[in-house]
Amino acid sequence: GQSLEQPSEVTAVEGAIVQINCTYQTSGFYGLSWYQQHDGGAPTFLSYNALDGLEETGRFSSFLSRSDSYGYLLLQELQMKDSASYFCAVTGGFKTIFGAGTRLFVKA
Amino acid sequence: NAGVTQTPKFQVLKTGQSMTLQCAQDMNHEYMSWYRQDPGMGLRLIHYSVGAGITDQGEVPNGYNVSRSTTEDFPLRLLSAAPSQTSVYFCASSYQGVDSYEQYFGPGTRLTVT
Repeated sequence: GQSLEQPSEVTAVEGAIVQINCTYQTSGFYGLSWYQQHDGGAPTFLSYNALDGLEETGRFSSFLSRSDSYGYLLLQELQMKDSASYFCAVTGGFKTIFGAGTRLFVKA
Repeated sequence: NAGVTQTPKFQVLKTGQSMTLQCAQDMNHEYMSWYRQDPGMGLRLIHYSVGAGITDQGEVPNGYNVSRSTTEDFPLRLLSAAPSQTSVYFCASSYQGVDSYEQYFGPGTRLTVT
């Protein structure tokens, strides 16, 4: 089966950097994705890592270590609009399974 | 492109009633899936399809049926609604390639079963 663990909540200050970690157990691993969801909205795709290393997209970066079954999402220059829930998700065997989500609170 | 559309946006059912949640996409994606989202539990995969005529079970398939007769549509049927099925339901579609598994989500259907 597949399972993921990520912290339930993280709080950071506007302008700061925050890292959200994700560990996973899965068979037939294809890659690790990250999604953002604002209250009342639908999840939106942020990034995907199939290989080890860092992927950068603007203020967001995502890292994967396949040997450690571990990844993280790095958010830089935090803005108030970044307050949302962030989900890691593993894809394997045509299934994409999501973690329970990390609620990020950005304070002024 | 409309992307992924879902109807209805809100629905209230009585226990034992059946209904179909509609999902359609216009991006010619082969892969479609249904998730339910309960508070504090993230998104749980109900059923998925890798193409027309092919469906399979996800993590929580009991009480739900799906079919995929066309690439565009992937309806989810609740056979006999139960209060435990009160949730927000999201449909998603994606192009499945080796370099990306980006899923596009619909706006969701908020279902209450009384």
